[in-house]
Amino acid sequence: DAMVIQNPRYQVTQFGKPVTLSCSQTLNHNVMYWYQQKSSQAPKLLFHYYDKDFNNEADTPDNFQSRRPNTSFCFLDIRSPGLGDAAMYLCATSRVRGDTQYFGPGTRLTVL
Amino acid sequence: AQKVTQAQTEISVVEKEDVTLDCVYETRDTTYYLFWYKQPPSGELVFLIRRNSFDEQNEISGRYSWNFQKSTSSFNFTITASQVVDSAVYFCALSEWRSSNTGKLIFGQGTTLQVKP
Repeated sequence: DAMVIQNPRYQVTQFGKPVTLSCSQTLNHNVMYWYQQKSSQAPKLLFHYYDKDFNNEADTPDNFQSRRPNTSFCFLDIRSPGLGDAAMYLCATSRVRGDTQYFGPGTRLTVL
Repeated sequence: AQKVTQAQTEISVVEKEDVTLDCVYETRDTTYYLFWYKQPPSGELVFLIRRNSFDEQNEISGRYSWNFQKSTSSFNFTITASQVVDSAVYFCALSEWRSSNTGKLIFGQGTTLQVKP
């Protein structure tokens, strides 16, 4: 089945220790998004890729970076995680911008 | 400015009851898209429906139905004969054509639905 996959599902890291979250898709969609969702809140867009074109949201901290080496994969790098970065990180894809976004299962990040 | 409001923070019903989740949106665009997503305890956001601003036709899918009214800027979601498996957080979201260079979803705060057996 075509889908969006996120690894790992749960990630524990130390304060200040870099961490990378992974997203892959078999839908062959052009757009990949990263959202951050804190407890009892709505998801918040961090950035997205349209093909290789990277688009950062204005209020996304510099601590968050992303890479998209090919159509199928996209990575979220958190350079120096703080306690406030503990959240669920959701990856989504869409065929084109504005089209329906399909989400992966998410990675729940804990920062100790 | 664009905004989505889900005034109901939590709803609790008994199985087999009908329940309506409210969604009110604000936008200056004439072209926009509205969505409903379901987020069960596992955390994944599950797509339920997408509506464009030019299509006010109501839709029914099994026990789910959606009522889109541009006159009141509302896109309400009704579950008929609710089941325990419907327990989840439901998000209404808006995407504007003007900002579709990002496809950014503006989410409401979500409504937590608890269906008791």
